[in-house]
Amino acid sequence: DTGVSQNPRHKITKRGQNVTFRCDPISEHNRLYWYRQTLGQGPEFLTYFQNEAQLEKSRLLSDRFSAERPKGSFSTLEIQRTEQGDSAMYLCASRSPTVLSTDTQYFGPGTRLTVL
Amino acid sequence: AQSVTQPDIHITVSEGASLELRCNYSYGATPYLFWYVQSPGQGLQLLLKYFSGDTLVQGIKGFEAEFKRSQSSFNLRKPSVHWSDAAEYFCAVAPIYNQGGKLIFGQGTELSVKP
Repeated sequence: DTGVSQNPRHKITKRGQNVTFRCDPISEHNRLYWYRQTLGQGPEFLTYFQNEAQLEKSRLLSDRFSAERPKGSFSTLEIQRTEQGDSAMYLCASRSPTVLSTDTQYFGPGTRLTVL
Repeated sequence: AQSVTQPDIHITVSEGASLELRCNYSYGATPYLFWYVQSPGQGLQLLLKYFSGDTLVQGIKGFEAEFKRSQSSFNLRKPSVHWSDAAEYFCAVAPIYNQGGKLIFGQGTELSVKP
């Protein structure tokens, strides 16, 4: 169990550029979640996958955001035409393959995005 | 509206003193309840969780939490704080009607520990 990993850890970009983040979940975890955390706030749910299927998306996930999990393993989160308001920590979490909402979500260290 | 409230943005306690962090939720039915801790540069780590049964839940690092249905609260406690407990603490809920298990977090409480 190597934990959830996220890359890059930090990303600085200019407004209008596209960025992509990667999340590698704990192996055999079939559920993968993305959250966004802005300064002084708790994480906010963005979307989640069960295997390769994206089953829920938050209203926070505008058309400029897209997430994929093509083979049911790692996931990518892409932000197109970044805006300064996108500056935040993007957190990924994974969970074991049961149907219980009580199961623990294990979080990665996050990718901190700064949009200049 | 559904929400999780952590009334204290920042708390400072002396090392060795007791600690209580407050959490209130607003939902139609009792959700599943969690406390996470976030240290600088680290991911969120689960301290404890409650979904049924005994309303006093024991967690890691000497933390415990008590669920009080009448007050819609799930407060986190520790009898004696250590300097290494300085971090940000988040209360979270998972609505029981949502099979996806997404977590809804409070805004967090930052804990500082005085020597």
